Amino acid sequence: EPEVTQTPSHQVTQMGQEVILRCVPISNHLYFYWYRQILGQKVEFLVSFYNNEISEKSEIFDDQFSVERPDGSNFTLKIRSTKLEDSAMYFCASSARGVPYTFGSGTRLTVV
Amino acid sequence: QQQVKQSPQSLIVQKGGISIINCAYENTAFDYFPWYQQFPGKGPALLIAIRPDVSEKKEGRFTISFNKSAKQFSLHIMDSQPGDSATYFCAAADMDTGRRALTFGSGTRLQVQP
Repeated sequence: EPEVTQTPSHQVTQMGQEVILRCVPISNHLYFYWYRQILGQKVEFLVSFYNNEISEKSEIFDDQFSVERPDGSNFTLKIRSTKLEDSAMYFCASSARGVPYTFGSGTRLTVV
Repeated sequence: QQQVKQSPQSLIVQKGGISIINCAYENTAFDYFPWYQQFPGKGPALLIAIRPDVSEKKEGRFTISFNKSAKQFSLHIMDSQPGDSATYFCAAADMDTGRRALTFGSGTRLQVQP
């Protein structure tokens, strides 16, 4: 069964550093998403991406965040200057028609 | 108005029993209601989803009941098994406006005792 692949599985970074989280969506999917889950809490929407542009973003997705689909296969989330409160699991998801989604296994980001 | 409220926070059920998890929403524009299962260290995996034109959908041991007038929906897991022990999230989205962002409930940690 096709999978959404995320790398790395765990990243530790110093506060103020930039991080890039990487995702390889399912190959024929057209809609891409990033969600995050702070430990023990609910999953929260960050951003959706379709047709090479952001289609929707949440209040969480401020100027520190950006997304890119650099080469037609990867989908990245960049956090420019990480804060302690950015520590969370970050999930990438993709879908062929908007829903249903397939989520990746996530990247655990720890900001120290 | 975007919230989806989920209860209970945790649930312990004996093997073979029925697990019931409830969700309520306020935004009447929501028209897609999925349930996700999440194991520790993994991403959410879609279990079953419903649109508001039906009141019930069943897939195997999993059933969604949907009450449009009450703005509530629930997940029933029949013949619960220890392998069902996981965190379950309800979610909702407004598909008609093209917004496909899911609003998740706060999750229910289910433990099925052997």
